[in-house]
Amino acid sequence: EAQVTQNPRYLITVTGKKLTVTCSQNMNHEYMSWYRQDPGLGLRQIYYSMNVEVTDKGDVPEGYKVSRKEKRNFPLILESPSPNQTSLYFCASSSTQETQYFGPGTRLLVL
Amino acid sequence: GDSVTQMEGPVTLSEEAFLTINCTYTATGYPSLFWYVQYPGEGLQLLLKATKADDKGSNKGFEATYRKETTSFHLEKGSVQVSDSAVYFCALKSTNDYKLSFGAGTTVTVRA
Repeated sequence: EAQVTQNPRYLITVTGKKLTVTCSQNMNHEYMSWYRQDPGLGLRQIYYSMNVEVTDKGDVPEGYKVSRKEKRNFPLILESPSPNQTSLYFCASSSTQETQYFGPGTRLLVL
Repeated sequence: GDSVTQMEGPVTLSEEAFLTINCTYTATGYPSLFWYVQYPGEGLQLLLKATKADDKGSNKGFEATYRKETTSFHLEKGSVQVSDSAVYFCALKSTNDYKLSFGAGTTVTVRA
């Protein structure tokens, strides 16, 4: 089944404790992206990647890092999480310049 | 820059009522337009899309027409069901760009 998977689905952590949210797709898509969803703000892009070893900042990259060492994986790294990074995070992938496929989301709470 | 404005919710309807969610956009050139739906506890799914002016996207009884003259892409459904309760997002993608710009989302609740 074609899908985008994210782990973990739920995470509670404390300020400053490094964490990684994994994202994997099995559709051989070149393009992958991370979004955060906050009430009243819709989805905002954090980082994206056009292909392996090619990443770039989206609209809200501060406090986040990404890497794209393999085509299928695009982890999101929070080196020192802060409470304002409490949010719902989505990974997405696409092979064309049209439809993006989204993962199920990761709900993060930073205390 | 590109932006999307959609009507604020929440919207509460009775089953079989008519649903409209307004969406307008600002973009240069000829963007592609999308409606995504997010059911409770799930990720976003593409509901429908239109890639050029006057195109009509349709799926699951929902429709939206790409109106360049009014820069709009309003979502409509003639008779909603309880299972249509979800958050609906309007989005656009500029030509030659992968990035999606989303509206704030509209929460729709349909009561039996």
